[in-house]
Amino acid sequence: KAGVTQTPRYLIKTRGQQVTLSCSPISGHRSVSWYQQTPGQGLQFLFEYFSETQRNKGNFPGRFSGRQFSNSRSEMNVSTLELGDSALYLCASRTDVSNYGYTFGSGTRLTVV
Amino acid sequence: AQSVTQLGSHVSVSEGALVLLRCNYSSSVPPYLFWYVQYPNQGLQLLLKYTSAATLVKGINGFEAEFKKSETSFHLTKPSAHMSDAAEYFCAVNSGGGADGLTFGKGTHLIIQP
Repeated sequence: KAGVTQTPRYLIKTRGQQVTLSCSPISGHRSVSWYQQTPGQGLQFLFEYFSETQRNKGNFPGRFSGRQFSNSRSEMNVSTLELGDSALYLCASRTDVSNYGYTFGSGTRLTVV
Repeated sequence: AQSVTQLGSHVSVSEGALVLLRCNYSSSVPPYLFWYVQYPNQGLQLLLKYTSAATLVKGINGFEAEFKKSETSFHLTKPSAHMSDAAEYFCAVNSGGGADGLTFGKGTHLIIQP
């Protein structure tokens, strides 16, 4: 059974640009959530999607957005990139919102220069 | 609101010694609790989780954790450390419903001395 797949693994962008990250959940998992990991702030919840609907969002500016498709794949977008957006972005999937078996992907390492 | 405190950003133990990583949580409702491990340049791997069943939870790689409501703790232990246990360990809490996602502690870097 394939795990959670995140693409790309590494990304370098310039300040002011926008970026889109992709996450393919485990087959049968309908919930996808996103986390940002930085040395200073640690792991922080960005948002969770279930059945193409955003359930909640963490304390991040509106530049951070996401969506989920009918096949449960999810994308997150960051517009007008800032140096502080450099981080490891992790995606986690679970079967549904009543199941607490979160499985994480290997992440996308975003570097903003 | 939910929060997690991990005591000790770095813990060093000798190979073969007991591993004890501390985690205290705050939650307004009975929580779900997790321990994850992260190796360099990797994602998070679930070690174990507490979801209101048995208070002593056994996980992978010989790790276990005990939920103590009176102490609001969920410490992670392993009787005998192995060199391959060297990694970053994160304790996390979710207060149910899952809408706010997982709240993580700052992490503990486990160092294994030969």
